[in-house]
Amino acid sequence: QVQLQESGPGLVKPSQTLSLSCTVSGGSISSGTYYWSWIRQPAGKGLEWIGRIDSTENTNYNPSLKSRVTMSVDTSKNQFSLKLNSVTAADTAFYYCARDISHGSYGLFDYWGQGTLAIVSS
Amino acid sequence: DIVMTQSPDSLAVSQGERAAINCKSSQSVLDSSNTKNYLAWYQHKPGQPPKLLIYWAFAREPGVPDRFSGSGSGTDFTLTISSLQAEDVAVYYCQQYHSTPPTFGGGTKVEIK
Repeated sequence: QVQLQESGPGLVKPSQTLSLSCTVSGGSISSGTYYWSWIRQPAGKGLEWIGRIDSTENTNYNPSLKSRVTMSVDTSKNQFSLKLNSVTAADTAFYYCARDISHGSYGLFDYWGQGTLAIVSS
Repeated sequence: DIVMTQSPDSLAVSQGERAAINCKSSQSVLDSSNTKNYLAWYQHKPGQPPKLLIYWAFAREPGVPDRFSGSGSGTDFTLTISSLQAEDVAVYYCQQYHSTPPTFGGGTKVEIK
């Protein structure tokens, strides 16, 4: 059973960088033709896909966030990470990591982490 | 971006009765080359991550009860719960994975009447 667990600071100051990691267990991040995605949900709002990365560091980002997002992968730790810079209060949300099993398409998520709340506040 | 619109925003159904949620996409999510609709449904309960229920518009994820069914094609889709159970109380989202970025509907909250 694949499990994902997000980690990172819960509080970030405006204009700084939000950094989150997702540790994958129960399977290798390098196995299979999977992408590894970040998705967020502001309180009381819908789900927004942030972007994805594969084990060879191919990335796709949501154009709405592309200028502020960087994703990376560390296969030795079975982890992938998200950096979102120049954050504002609008970036306050639950952040989920998820496995993307879509092949030749964009974003079918079969395993999700529990989510972590990131608050942007001074 | 493909905009996904769900209706209703919420519904309350008696236990054992049928619940239906509609989802409309601003563009077709049908790939004519393989006749597949790139449409998924997720169930989201408080304090839990979203759970994949349905993909390809109608295929149930393993372990999902058969009271959940998906239908539709092109731009119009429906998730039906044939006999609502207490454990089905949740917010349900449709999502397209035809084009990047993948996009979600606004969600439909399902409650027991």
